Amino acid sequence: DSGVTQTPKHLITATGQRVTLRCSPRSGDLSVYWYQQSLDQGLQFLIQYYNGEERAKGNILERFSAQQFPDLHSELNLSSLELGDSALYFCASSREGNNEQFFGPGTRLTVL
Amino acid sequence: GESVGLHLPTLSVQEGDNSIINCAYSNSASDYFIWYKQESGKGPQFIIDIRSNMDKRQGQRVTVLLNKTVKHLSLQIAATQPGDSAVYFCAEKNSGTYKYIFGTGTRLKVLA
Repeated sequence: DSGVTQTPKHLITATGQRVTLRCSPRSGDLSVYWYQQSLDQGLQFLIQYYNGEERAKGNILERFSAQQFPDLHSELNLSSLELGDSALYFCASSREGNNEQFFGPGTRLTVL
Repeated sequence: GESVGLHLPTLSVQEGDNSIINCAYSNSASDYFIWYKQESGKGPQFIIDIRSNMDKRQGQRVTVLLNKTVKHLSLQIAATQPGDSAVYFCAEKNSGTYKYIFGTGTRLKVLA
């Protein structure tokens, strides 16, 4: 157990819908990262937050957004969903100055 | 469990032999390199990292080698065990931009 929790574990929805994925980092970790993992594209870095502020943006679509709240949990919002958004979405957290990221168990999103 | 990257390159190794997993990275400005292990149905797990000013680093049963001239990274696993069966990802990080780029992964199969 990495100490990072993600909910829900599975999510099935339809095209055009909007969903919210939730992540709670390890206690004491200020950085939260979101990744998308699909079969044909491997692990793609989406976005990083540090202590409530956006720190880095990767290959995140405009239909996707994220935020980190004062209690350091983070949410990833995916809107106008398309079939191609079906993937595993991972959250990870780390301490400042440490390269070791701790990954959550992931949320499996299926868009029908 | 989940299948990750059905079309990943696969390395099959006899139990007890040494494994070498290779990775080519893309960004000359990357200053940290990290190896992750992902078991079926789980999130990636940190194995070892190395700074760009080093060319070798050893951990417990693992060694990472970095060749900046050809932008190549390798992970050596000594005395490979069945529990080492997983998908292995390399990642590069640019500390200036905080961005991570993950490789496509290699599936390691340990044969009994």
